Amino acid sequence: KAGVTQTPRYLIKTRGQQVTLSCSPISGHRSVSWYQQTPGQGLQFLFEYFSETQRNKGNFPGRFSGRQFSNSRSEMNVSTLELGDSALYLCATSTDSSNEQFFGPGTRLTVL
Amino acid sequence: AQSVSQHNHHVILSEAASLELGCNYSYGGTVNLFWYVQYPGQHLQLLLKYFSGDPLVKGIKGFEAEFIKSKFSFNLRKPSVQWSDTAEYFCAVNYYNQGGKLIFGQGTELSVKP
Repeated sequence: KAGVTQTPRYLIKTRGQQVTLSCSPISGHRSVSWYQQTPGQGLQFLFEYFSETQRNKGNFPGRFSGRQFSNSRSEMNVSTLELGDSALYLCATSTDSSNEQFFGPGTRLTVL
Repeated sequence: AQSVSQHNHHVILSEAASLELGCNYSYGGTVNLFWYVQYPGQHLQLLLKYFSGDPLVKGIKGFEAEFIKSKFSFNLRKPSVQWSDTAEYFCAVNYYNQGGKLIFGQGTELSVKP
């Protein structure tokens, strides 16, 4: 069974640009959550999608957005990038919200 | 606010020593509890989980954890660590009615000396 895949794995952008990250869940998983991991703040919840609907949202500015497609794949978008957005962005998927979540390898975003 | 606290930022042990990593969460009702591990260069993997039932749960690689409801704690233990246990360990809590949202502790970096 293939694991959670995230693309791209590495990304370098400059301030003011926007970026789109992709997450493909394990087959059968309908819940997709996104997290930001930084050395200073640790792992912080961004949002969760289930059946194409945003179910929960963390405390991030509106520059961070996401969506989920009918095949459960999810994308997150960050607009007007800031230096502080440099982080590892992790995607986690599960069959349903409260079940065990499986994490992908992450996308390492560097903002210059 | 809901939060999770891990007692130790960095733990250094010799092989065969016993391990206990503390985790406390703020009161918020019914919870699901998890311990995840992140080995160097690898992604987060689930060590063990508690949803209900026996408060002593066993996970992979000889790890176990005990849920003590009265103390809002979920401490991770291993009787004898190995060099290969060197990794970062994260405690995470999922509160009832919060969907899939996991609140993570700050993480504990474990270094095991051979």
